[in-house]
Amino acid sequence: TQLLEQSPQFLSIQEGENLTVYCNSSSVFSSLQWYRQEPGEGPVLLVTVVTGGEVKKLKRLTFQFGDARKDSSLHITAAQPGDTGLYLCAGAAGNYKLTFGKGTLLTVNP
Amino acid sequence: SQTIHQWPATLVQPVGSPLSLECTVEGTSNPNLYWYRQAAGRGLQLLFYSVGIGQISSEVPQNLSASRPQDRQFILSSKKLLLSDSGFYLCASTGTDTQYFGPGTRLTVL
Repeated sequence: TQLLEQSPQFLSIQEGENLTVYCNSSSVFSSLQWYRQEPGEGPVLLVTVVTGGEVKKLKRLTFQFGDARKDSSLHITAAQPGDTGLYLCAGAAGNYKLTFGKGTLLTVNP
Repeated sequence: SQTIHQWPATLVQPVGSPLSLECTVEGTSNPNLYWYRQAAGRGLQLLFYSVGIGQISSEVPQNLSASRPQDRQFILSSKKLLLSDSGFYLCASTGTDTQYFGPGTRLTVL
């Protein structure tokens, strides 16, 4: 059974601070996705990383896929209240299914 | 891009009553379709997935069932709801190694 461990589970920071969320596994994934979910809504895809060592930037968000394709990180620079939400990572292993982490609940206080 | 519709958005049902949640997909053909349940804004538990019409795979034993009567229609059902069936139900459809989510159905069983 593939598992994805996300850390931290909860994060409360002040506006303007930086943060990093981690997603780790002992399994290799062909790709890894990061989603952001607001209360009462479905998760929205932020990015997909495919190549080991890949780094993608989305405005103030930087996503990295580990060289061995077993882990990933999401770094947010100068967090804003609008970044508040549940961040989920999910790994694909080519078997029609995604393995999801349990999520990081981020609160950015103004 | 794909658009996923779910209805109803919210449902309150008594214990022992039947259930039918519907999911339809636009903007793609022959997608893989998924039903997830999410508890208390945390990680997603995969319930069922389907790779084609009439093809259903169940991930966890439960009193729920799924059907796929048409290529872009996925239905989640129960003959008799339990209190433990309460939760946020999400339908998802695949792109390449990526899943897109519907807006979800909030089910409360009383």
